[in-house]
Amino acid sequence: EPEVTQTPSHQVTQMGQEVILRCVPISNHLYFYWYRQILGQKVEFLVSFYNNEISEKSEIFDDQFSVERPDGSNFTLKIRSTKLEDSAMYFCASSGFRDRAENEQFFGPGTRLTVL
Amino acid sequence: RKEVEQDPGPFNVPEGATVAFNCTYSNSASQSFFWYRQDCRKEPKLLMSVYSSGNEDGRFTAQLNRASQYISLLIRDSKLSDSATYLCVVKTGGGNKLTFGTGTQLKVEL
Repeated sequence: EPEVTQTPSHQVTQMGQEVILRCVPISNHLYFYWYRQILGQKVEFLVSFYNNEISEKSEIFDDQFSVERPDGSNFTLKIRSTKLEDSAMYFCASSGFRDRAENEQFFGPGTRLTVL
Repeated sequence: RKEVEQDPGPFNVPEGATVAFNCTYSNSASQSFFWYRQDCRKEPKLLMSVYSSGNEDGRFTAQLNRASQYISLLIRDSKLSDSATYLCVVKTGGGNKLTFGTGTQLKVEL
């Protein structure tokens, strides 16, 4: 069964450092997403990406965040200067089609980011 | 008011019990509704979509009441493997952004 993969599974970084979280979405999907979940809290939407551009982003996704699809398979989330409050589990997701109510978003296993 | 509201639980039930979870959402323009399951420190996985007419998948039944902005999930004959956090999820607007509730924790015990 096709699946979304993410690397690394755990990233530890110092405050102020840049991090890049990597995802390989399901190969025939068209829409890509990043969500995050702070420990003990709900899953929160960050950004959606379609046709090589951001289609929607949340208030959390400020200028410190960026996304890129550098090639035909990878989808990355970059945090330019990490803060303590960026510590969370970051989930990548992908889905196939826009206009179907049954359009399931498949989530990757997540990258746990710890900012020290 | 929270966009998607759930009772956090935990619900501790014996194996074989029937358990029901409820969820309310604040945006009347919400279009699509889902229940996801999340195991501890794992990714959310779709359990089932929720349709206006109600739908069933084996031991799981989901109901939607648009007038009350209320969604429910019923689990019959609960198994130990049903222990997880159940996330009420709503899609609103033209995009694909999912809005999650905080989840309801279920613990099924022997």
